[in-house]
Parts: sequence; C-alpha cells; structure tokens
Amino acid sequence: KAGVTQTPRYLIKTRGQQVTLSCSPISGHRSVSWYQQTPGQGLQFLFEYFSETQRNKGNFPGRFSGRQFSNSRSEMNVSTLELGDSALYLCASSLTRQGGSPLHFGNGTRLTVT
Amino acid sequence: GENVEQHPSTLSVQEGDSAVIKCTYSDSASNYFPWYKQELGKGPQLIIDIRSNVGEKKDQRIAVTLNKTAKHFSLHITETQPEDSAVYFCAASKRENYGQNFVFGPGTRLSVLP
Repeated sequence: KAGVTQTPRYLIKTRGQQVTLSCSPISGHRSVSWYQQTPGQGLQFLFEYFSETQRNKGNFPGRFSGRQFSNSRSEMNVSTLELGDSALYLCASSLTRQGGSPLHFGNGTRLTVT
Repeated sequence: GENVEQHPSTLSVQEGDSAVIKCTYSDSASNYFPWYKQELGKGPQLIIDIRSNVGEKKDQRIAVTLNKTAKHFSLHITETQPEDSAVYFCAASKRENYGQNFVFGPGTRLSVLP
C-alpha cells in the first residue's frame, strides 16, 4: 500500500506570495492532519480534516488554511508568506479519528521563504 | 493543555550498546503513546506505540514501557546499529470530542557510533 504522498518536496517563495501544498493520504484513510516542523518549535499542529470538514485547528494565524476533497486528498494554503513560515510542512493520515489511531506521515514539503 | 517533555535532547552510544529515551506527560487523560523515528530528509515514521491499558510492549530490538502513575513512558533500543541514528519523537494522545489530539515531545537526536 502506498504511503502518504506530499507534493512538491521543495518550494522557494518570496515574502508576500502565497503557496499551496498537496497531500494524498494512505488509501482508505479519511483523516488528514497537517503539522509545521521547525528546529525551534518542533512539531506544531496546524489542522485536521475529516470528511471534507475541518475538525480541529491549532494556534496558527488565519493565513494558514486548508481543505479536503471527497477522495480524502488535502491541500494546505499559506497566504502573504512571511520569513518565519520557512519550515518543513508535514501531512499525516490516520484510519479513523478514534483514540489510538496512529498518524502516518509523508516526507513533507520543505518551504523556504526569502 | 497537554505538555510532553523528552530527555535527553541528544544521545550518543557505541554500536551494540542500549539506548533509552524518556518522556513525561502532564494530562492523565492521555491514553495512547506512539514513538516516531525521523531520518534526514524524511517524515517521522511510526516505530512502536503503547496504549494506557498496557505496561510494556516489545518489537524485536525496540521496547516501550509506560508508567501511568508517574506519567512517563520510555523507549528502549537494544543492540544499537548505525542505522538507528535518527531523531526520535514521543507523543501523547487522547480522545477529544473533535477527534484525537497529538502532542509531540521536542525530539532526541540519537547517534550510534561504529
């Protein structure tokens, strides 16, 4: 079974631009979560989608948004990019939203904002 | 909210020796504790997990122990090999009304010296 696929792997953008990241979950997984990983802050939760609805949101500004499609694929958008948005963005899928359902991560999209 | 601490932040061991990484959590309602291994350029990979109704779990050279009373859990790697070198993350999770909530530790960089 294919794992979580994230595209693109690398992105370089300038301040003020916007960016869209894509995630395809493991087949059959309906929950998709997004995390931001930086050396200083570690793994920070952005949001979770299930059945095309955002179910949970972390403490990030409204510039960060996402959506999920009917096939469970998800996209994340960051508008008006800032230098501090440079990070590895990780997508994770899980089979259910029940307790004890592990997250399976993709290899991430490395975003650099100049 | 939940807070997960992880120690040590870096760990160097000789090949063949054992490595132990410890995590503590603050929310007694947390009931699922996965461990992830992240290699350079890749996303975190689930290596073992434990639920609150179990005290210990083993998978070949890897084991995890959980002490609910003290609210800490540990990862044990025996007979370490160079390919065990990576960053390891612990996490604590509990079921919320809106789904699962994962909180990650800051990570431990393990170096296995040949």
